[in-house]
Amino acid sequence: QVQLVESGGGVVQPGRSLRLSCAASGFAFSDYAIYWVRQAPGKGLEWVAVISYHGYNNNYAASVKGRFTISRDNFRDTVYLQMSSLRAEDTAVYYCARDRCSGGSCQLNSFDIWGQGTMVTVSS
Amino acid sequence: DIQMTQSPSTLSASVGDRVTITCRASQSISSWLAWYQQKAGKAPSLLIYKASSLENGVPSRFSGSGSGTEFTLTISSLQPDDFATYYCQQYNAYPVSFGQGTKLEIK
Repeated sequence: QVQLVESGGGVVQPGRSLRLSCAASGFAFSDYAIYWVRQAPGKGLEWVAVISYHGYNNNYAASVKGRFTISRDNFRDTVYLQMSSLRAEDTAVYYCARDRCSGGSCQLNSFDIWGQGTMVTVSS
Repeated sequence: DIQMTQSPSTLSASVGDRVTITCRASQSISSWLAWYQQKAGKAPSLLIYKASSLENGVPSRFSGSGSGTEFTLTISSLQPDDFATYYCQQYNAYPVSFGQGTKLEIK
């Protein structure tokens, strides 16, 4: 079964760090770019970051650039989101999602598989 | 950055109705637009990509159209399972951006 499963969320104080994981199964993980998207309580969707299929390219939303780092381990079929200097406005459900296109010829795409999300609460 | 604006924000309709949701981009995005459905407490799911292509497994009552800056999602005959929130997304350029969402409610 093709799926993504996030983990690592929780309650953290402002200024602290947290690492989220996104574990993939059921597909050729190393062929796909992976995205992180977040949703604050009662709000809409906000794209956070992306990492290319091989892990050499990434991109970030301005709101997290310099604080969040995306990485991947293609042997463990897992993507990570290292979040530091967390702020109250980072409170959200964090989803990982798969690019709809596979392989090196793909450009930016829609997201065809989503995980169930993991909640991050930044509060003192 | 490209801004995406959906209308309406809320839509009340009945089972069997035909409904249309509009999404406008602040600049041309060609056909690089997707539509997602999100039910309460669940992750979004892809309905339409490249403005008008139906994702595998999505019922044919869903359709998308448009190009450039104006796009529509149409549900031809609403079913009980369709009451949810819908988001458009542009993937013409980074940063990827979403519309603010349209909540489809039962009248």
